[in-house]
Amino acid sequence: GAGVSQTPSNKVTEKGKYVELRCDPISGHTALYWYRQSLGQGPEFLIYFQGTGAADDSGLPNDRFFAVRPEGSVSTLKIQRTERGDSAVYLCASSLIGAYGYTFGSGTRLTVV
Amino acid sequence: TQLLEQSPQFLSIQEGENLTVYCNSSSVFSSLQWYRQEPGEGPVLLVTVVTGGEVKKLKRLTFQFGDARKDSSLHITAAQPGDTGLYLCAGTTSGTYKYIFGTGTRLKVLA
Repeated sequence: GAGVSQTPSNKVTEKGKYVELRCDPISGHTALYWYRQSLGQGPEFLIYFQGTGAADDSGLPNDRFFAVRPEGSVSTLKIQRTERGDSAVYLCASSLIGAYGYTFGSGTRLTVV
Repeated sequence: TQLLEQSPQFLSIQEGENLTVYCNSSSVFSSLQWYRQEPGEGPVLLVTVVTGGEVKKLKRLTFQFGDARKDSSLHITAAQPGDTGLYLCAGTTSGTYKYIFGTGTRLKVLA
């Protein structure tokens, strides 16, 4: 597609539930990134994919968070047993490998109640 | 853990004024970027700087990368209401494509 697409744009879930957030990157972009942004803060790195594999998952806060990119295109961020502290905007970005700069999607606003 | 501090955190100015936003770190970066983010949207890349001392201009915006590649500044001349937004710097170190973002500067330009 023309840009990075993230769905859903908003997600409200109950504490303890499981959620999946989807990212569809720009066609041909081999690198895909997930960030989390809390209100009034800069984005915080979660995980980076190069192709199908996670090249760096050092930002995942704990084992409740997991991300996949099985075919090297669409990626899904999965959060188990959600907690209120997981509430944030989850941003996805993609780029050509080695290129400077990302193209971000508009994000998924996750609210855990 | 590398940390990028931005100052000021908040800035409210009148249309036509000039301003400078700073991005500082104790780490050396192989490249540094500036983004602008509007409510409900993802950050949009404005510029990338890679060489110490480099200066880039984008219309009324001037970006500078420090000689030691540890800091950067963004200067806006004759600010307009359309410049309102959250300005973010982001840096990466050699050997990684992961960008670490700064704390952000929220700018409001009043008409």
